[in-house]
Amino acid sequence: QITLKESGPTLVKPTQTLTLTCTFSGFSLSTSGVGVGWIRQPPGKALEWLALIYWDDDKRYSPSLKSRLTITKDTSKNQVVLTMTNMDPVDTATYYCALGWGGYDASFDYWGQGTLVTVSS
Amino acid sequence: SYELTQPLSVSVALGQTARITCGGNNIGSKNVHWYQQKPGQAPVLVIYRDSNRPSGIPERFSGSNSGNTATLTISRAQAGDEADYYCQVWDSSTAVVFGGGTKLTVL
Repeated sequence: QITLKESGPTLVKPTQTLTLTCTFSGFSLSTSGVGVGWIRQPPGKALEWLALIYWDDDKRYSPSLKSRLTITKDTSKNQVVLTMTNMDPVDTATYYCALGWGGYDASFDYWGQGTLVTVSS
Repeated sequence: SYELTQPLSVSVALGQTARITCGGNNIGSKNVHWYQQKPGQAPVLVIYRDSNRPSGIPERFSGSNSGNTATLTISRAQAGDEADYYCQVWDSSTAVVFGGGTKLTVL
């Protein structure tokens, strides 16, 4: 059974750095073709892709947020970590992690439940 | 950067066929994936690689992709199909791209 779960702070202050952890089970991020991505969704708005890390440690970032994002993986712990610097109230959103299985243009087959992050002083 | 365009809303009568489009430059050359999202829930994959249904997705859901438009078709629409639908592609310059989403209303 494949599961993903996001964890991290629910409230961060403006200018702070957000660190989110995606803990997964049922697959290995060392398996060829596997990728784990982060997607966010501001309240009432559309999905926005943030970052993706692949089994071979290739990393891709949203061009508009690239300067603020870092994605890493810990294969032994079955975790993927996303950091986002210089948080702003517009970054308030539900943050999802999701599994893509099938190479670089794979779909996100499994999603976590999401975690709501509020940016406010 | 690559962009995907979806209608903000689509309405369909109960039992009829709904079509949700996703426009992009030469999108027919890309693999298109579709997600369904109901209020308060995470997105669920309903179509992958243009026209393939994951296990557990009803045959009423189908997809096509050609030229500059991909289409998600929902046949015999049910009240439970009311949701937001998002298309997604992978682009060599932008990596992952989502459309802006379409709210499906079943009348």
